[in-house]
Amino acid sequence: DTAVSQTPKYLVTQMGNDKSIKCEQNLGHDTMYWYKQDSKKFLKIMFSYNNKELIINETVPNRFSPKSPDKAHLNLHINSLELGDSAVYFCASSQYGPYEQYFGPGTRLTVT
Amino acid sequence: AQTVTQSQPEMSVQEAETVTLSCTYDTSENNYYLFWYKQPPSRQMILVIRQEAYKQQNATENRFSVNFQKAAKSFSLKISDSQLGDTAMYFCAFMKLTQGGSEKLVFGKGTKLTVNP
Repeated sequence: DTAVSQTPKYLVTQMGNDKSIKCEQNLGHDTMYWYKQDSKKFLKIMFSYNNKELIINETVPNRFSPKSPDKAHLNLHINSLELGDSAVYFCASSQYGPYEQYFGPGTRLTVT
Repeated sequence: AQTVTQSQPEMSVQEAETVTLSCTYDTSENNYYLFWYKQPPSRQMILVIRQEAYKQQNATENRFSVNFQKAAKSFSLKISDSQLGDTAMYFCAFMKLTQGGSEKLVFGKGTKLTVNP
């Protein structure tokens, strides 16, 4: 059973489009995250939710909007895609507190 | 703001030998956690080892161990008896302890380790 799953794994789209990435975890965790890994492999937090409440919102363009319908799901919607949005987006989850974060397989987004 | 520095962009080691990956961090916090994550070519992020700053004893997980020097703000990873499957990017990460609930990981830029047969 996959602990943290993301769909799709690959996404190729054109500039200006709107796209969504979905994330689900079956670990019973309270907290979920979105990280972005750029072309140089640098990983940076974007958002985190705890029990459907937005807790961390780093300096991310407001074209990015996370949504958590319940604590097992955290989706990422991106409006008006730009070339610089091309990256791998990782979803992660953890128990409340300073515990291991379990990562999904990542979604490679390519904007052309 | 916390920063994590991995000064070795790439390293290589012969199979069965030992290699040490360096990591330093900058923080004014006293309570925090440190992690090493591994990212093989499959892209999956896998936890290798975790260290609580309040513990003086260095964490170990089978062939993986750390040398945690709190005063020096250093957290190196030692891999013993290297195996071909250890080939991966290795990320050092910092997490501070807060009351807010969500704990973000601050990552270094990674070290690409290649294990040669």
